[in-house]
Amino acid sequence: KQEVTQIPAALSVPEGENLVLNCSFTDSAIYNLQWFRQDPGKGLTSLLLIQSSQREQTSGRLNASLDKSSGRSTLYIAASQPGDSATYLCAVIGTAGNKLTFGGGTRVLVKP
Amino acid sequence: DAGVTQSPTHLIKTRGQHVTLRCSPISGHKSVSWYQQVLGQGPQFIFQYYEKEERGRGNFPDRFSARQFPNYSSELNVNALLLGDSALYLCASSGSGDRRNTEAFFGQGTRLTVV
Repeated sequence: KQEVTQIPAALSVPEGENLVLNCSFTDSAIYNLQWFRQDPGKGLTSLLLIQSSQREQTSGRLNASLDKSSGRSTLYIAASQPGDSATYLCAVIGTAGNKLTFGGGTRVLVKP
Repeated sequence: DAGVTQSPTHLIKTRGQHVTLRCSPISGHKSVSWYQQVLGQGPQFIFQYYEKEERGRGNFPDRFSARQFPNYSSELNVNALLLGDSALYLCASSGSGDRRNTEAFFGQGTRLTVV
């Protein structure tokens, strides 16, 4: 059974600092890994999708890496801003089916 | 382009009642999935439908059921509501049932409160 873990559960940084968010998964047989952002009480916004054949994916200030063999992904957010404050979730799709298996999320606070 | 739309946005029900949640996927998307998110946790998979067929079911009791219509919209039904069913219910759409092309896009969710 796939398990996804995100550590730390919460993170507070001053504005301008780079953010590093970690995601680990137990079963390396995945097709994709997806990072999401969730604002309080809202739905999920897709940030980046990394296919299993890729090592990284970039979008603006965001960069996500994937090391499938070690079961890890890292989301980097450069030059953080207060507007980046949110919960960040990673999720994987494994060979067992078409469902996304989510981590518990990392709650980020960027202080002005 | 409209994204994934869910209705209603908020709902309050009494224990034992029944509820129906609705979801319209992104135009052209044929796959709809449902997730339950309890406060402070990541979403948990409930169902996936593709072309009106159930493609996957999570570890939820039979009180939970769903269906997909010819226009690819979907309903999630929950019978005999329990206090523990209080959660944010999220709908996701993706382009196909092929897991290799499965970037998921989520709606804003339905906040269900059972009292």
